[in-house]
Amino acid sequence: DIQMTQSPSSLSTSVGDRVTITCRASQSISTDLNWFQQSPGKAPKLLIYAASTLQSGVPSRFSGSGSGTDFTLTISSLQPEDFATYYCQQSYTTPPTFGPGTKVEIK
Amino acid sequence: EVHLVESGGGLVNPGGSLRLSCTASGFTFSFYSMHWVRQAPGKGLEWVASMSGHSYIYYVDSVKGRFTIYRDNDKNSLFLQMNSLRAEDTAVYYCARDMATTVTTFRSDYWGQGTMVTVSS
Repeated sequence: DIQMTQSPSSLSTSVGDRVTITCRASQSISTDLNWFQQSPGKAPKLLIYAASTLQSGVPSRFSGSGSGTDFTLTISSLQPEDFATYYCQQSYTTPPTFGPGTKVEIK
Repeated sequence: EVHLVESGGGLVNPGGSLRLSCTASGFTFSFYSMHWVRQAPGKGLEWVASMSGHSYIYYVDSVKGRFTIYRDNDKNSLFLQMNSLRAEDTAVYYCARDMATTVTTFRSDYWGQGTMVTVSS
């Protein structure tokens, strides 16, 4: 199975800050990488698929980049509703696997 | 508008069985692959099983031989029959739609609210 790692595991930040989360795959997954946001008690929400394509309805402050094994999710200016946990997921091969998550908290 | 509603969760003894249901609306159900993804309390996400519109089925190794995914396209419903349940199966189970038609991409664009399964004596 492809293992996904994320860093940092958590971060404390403020509204308006730029946030960068990284995700690494244990082998090359081309650009088959997706990002999800999950608020407490809620279902995950797809933000970005195919490494850099913004899902319909997702604000443009979210962006993704990367290919192969290393990927990045960037939030250009954090908003109050962005405090949540973020997961990367590879859809390159079965089983699809998720990273352990990055919790973005209010400083 | 796409809606996915799970049901069937609850408390079950180790070794017991449970059937989860997911009722879909707002899209042509038979065109899309569907997935079950679970999340143990305080933990991350784990993909469990997928089924294409009519045939292809995939399972994570830890549930093979115990869980069965199936669907009724006439009733816009997805199911997960869970047998021989273990404590480690305790989780919120989400139903999710694949974002593509005709192929399975394992990218899920719509999710239900989840149903809690607790395996404990």
